[in-house]
Amino acid sequence: RKEVEQDPGPFNVPEGATVAFNCTYSNSASQSFFWYRQDCRKEPKLLMSVYSSGNEDGRFTAQLNRASQYISLLIRDSKLSDSATYLCVVKGNFNKFYFGSGTKLNVKP
Amino acid sequence: GAGVSQSPSNKVTEKGKDVELRCDPISGHTALYWYRQSLGQGLEFLIYFQGNSAPDKSGLPSDRFSAERTGGSVSTLTIQRTQQEDSAVYLCASSLQGAYGPAPYEQYFGPGTRLTVT
Repeated sequence: RKEVEQDPGPFNVPEGATVAFNCTYSNSASQSFFWYRQDCRKEPKLLMSVYSSGNEDGRFTAQLNRASQYISLLIRDSKLSDSATYLCVVKGNFNKFYFGSGTKLNVKP
Repeated sequence: GAGVSQSPSNKVTEKGKDVELRCDPISGHTALYWYRQSLGQGLEFLIYFQGNSAPDKSGLPSDRFSAERTGGSVSTLTIQRTQQEDSAVYLCASSLQGAYGPAPYEQYFGPGTRLTVT
């Protein structure tokens, strides 16, 4: 079983739509969680950390559900520029980080 | 401030040759990671350096791969006797990990080195 699993998508949504991605992780002892975005042929860029209480940054909201071992990312009012691959990242034991394979988002005009 | 830099940005080499990839982390970041990403795939962990501790080499795919970090800063990833399956983008990331602050574990990536083995 993979440490981190994501639906690869693609999610095709119109501009202005709300879209949500989930990511499940296998290590119940994991303590730190992140969402990164990766544009085609570019490096991953940190989007936001995910805190236990959930956190919001503008149009982006991240939630953590420890009981079910998943994190989510909600994007409201999607923009064309949100088109990218979104990577879920979980910090495991011994400071090792596990990256999901990513969920591809296409925002259409 | 300056981000993570990597060189070269692209490297084409013949099968069997050795290559060296370089990473300059963000100044003051104590942790440095190497990953590789094959086309359309997720990131694969290779090696992790934290301060002066012994590196975690558990992700290195074979003994042809090695890495060092000099003076707690610049790191070099070396691939000996390259094979075609080594073709990938090699990404370096650094973080403040281990220091005090609100987000010591967040990693910041360099632009990567695209390695093509012919």
